[in-house]
Amino acid sequence: AQTVTQSQPEMSVQEAETVTLSCTYDTSENNYYLFWYKQPPSRQMILVIRQEAYKQQNATENRFSVNFQKAAKSFSLKISDSQLGDTAMYFCALGVEWTDKLIFGTGTRLQVFP
Amino acid sequence: SAVISQKPSRDICQRGTSLTIQCQVDSQVTMMFWYRQQPGQSLTLIATANQGSEATYESGFVIDKFPISRPNLTFSTLTVSNMSPEDSSIYLCSLAPERTDTQYFGPGTRLTVL
Repeated sequence: AQTVTQSQPEMSVQEAETVTLSCTYDTSENNYYLFWYKQPPSRQMILVIRQEAYKQQNATENRFSVNFQKAAKSFSLKISDSQLGDTAMYFCALGVEWTDKLIFGTGTRLQVFP
Repeated sequence: SAVISQKPSRDICQRGTSLTIQCQVDSQVTMMFWYRQQPGQSLTLIATANQGSEATYESGFVIDKFPISRPNLTFSTLTVSNMSPEDSSIYLCSLAPERTDTQYFGPGTRLTVL
């Protein structure tokens, strides 16, 4: 069975600072994909960043980057220069096949303070 | 990425009634998914809707309670039948563009059952 664990229910950070959200996962598959989604109060699930497991290079999207440690099955999200608009729930997710479901973690609520 | 719309965006319903949620995509996609997000919880897959075939339901979800239609490659509906307060959730459709590993989500439907 595949699982995703987010051990930080809530995090807070001051505007312009850096914050890291943790995620660990478990799967017996060799090829898989990892995602971070953001869900603001509008409830829209927005893709933040994705990582292919076969790529050693960590994915980066502007202020968002990941630290992917395949052996440790760890996939953390770093948000640099935090902005008020980053306030949201962040979900880590695991996918194996494009035809298959995503397995989501329980989420981390991030609050960015001015 | 595709533009996904859902109707209604929110609804308040009486127990024992049914609600049909529509998901419309601006491009043709084979795989569509329906997720449920109970209050304060993560996302759980209800079923996978493949055009031209019966939907595939996850454990704990049955067709009589959550019938799904997929009449063409751009549209799907999810019906929540004989509703009870426990069905109060956000319902989200998602899609995976052909041969990609990433799911994109609609804006969600917030359902409250009294």
